[in-house]
Amino acid sequence: QKEVEQNSGPLSVPEGAIASLNCTYSDRGSQSFFWYRQYSGKSPELIMFIYSNGDKEDGRFTAQLNKASQYVSLLIRDSQPSDSATYLCAVKGNTPLVFGKGTRLSVIA
Amino acid sequence: DTEVTQTPKHLVMGMTNKKSLKCEQHMGHRAMYWYKQKAKKPPELMFVYSYEKLSINESVPSRFSPECPNSSLLNLHLHALQPEDSALYLCASSRGQGAEKLFFGSGTQLSVL
Repeated sequence: QKEVEQNSGPLSVPEGAIASLNCTYSDRGSQSFFWYRQYSGKSPELIMFIYSNGDKEDGRFTAQLNKASQYVSLLIRDSQPSDSATYLCAVKGNTPLVFGKGTRLSVIA
Repeated sequence: DTEVTQTPKHLVMGMTNKKSLKCEQHMGHRAMYWYKQKAKKPPELMFVYSYEKLSINESVPSRFSPECPNSSLLNLHLHALQPEDSALYLCASSRGQGAEKLFFGSGTQLSVL
């Protein structure tokens, strides 16, 4: 059973702080890693993807991947109240995308 | 056009009704997906179509019947559903089945009475 684990939260951070979201996965054959943002009652929206070890930055978002330790993280700098949402980690190997249960982030103004 | 369009946005049906959910994309994607999502849970894969052929059925009950009339359209036919089938039904597409990035539609919120 391929698993993707996330802390369900809620993770509360003050506005302007860095939010750090973590995800671990069980399948060592996993090749692609994704972060989706989902607002309550809405559909998931792809915000970051990463394939190689290291960091990938896009605006206020940084994805970090460590395949040896089987974890992937998402950093959100200068967090805004509009970042309050559930963040789903998703992992793909040779099987369809496997989603974690999501971490609920709350940014306090 | 980078949208996946789903209709209807909301649906209420009785257990004896027959209804259909519709999904459309014009991105030239050749893989299309149905997911089911219950509140506070991650999306669960139901079906995958690749090049208009059903490639994955995740042991979904036969009261859910998918159909892919062409590469742009995906339907989910519903019949004799149960109240526990109430959920958000999400359609997604990707360039190919091996392609990783999924683009989701806005979903259909289904309530079975």
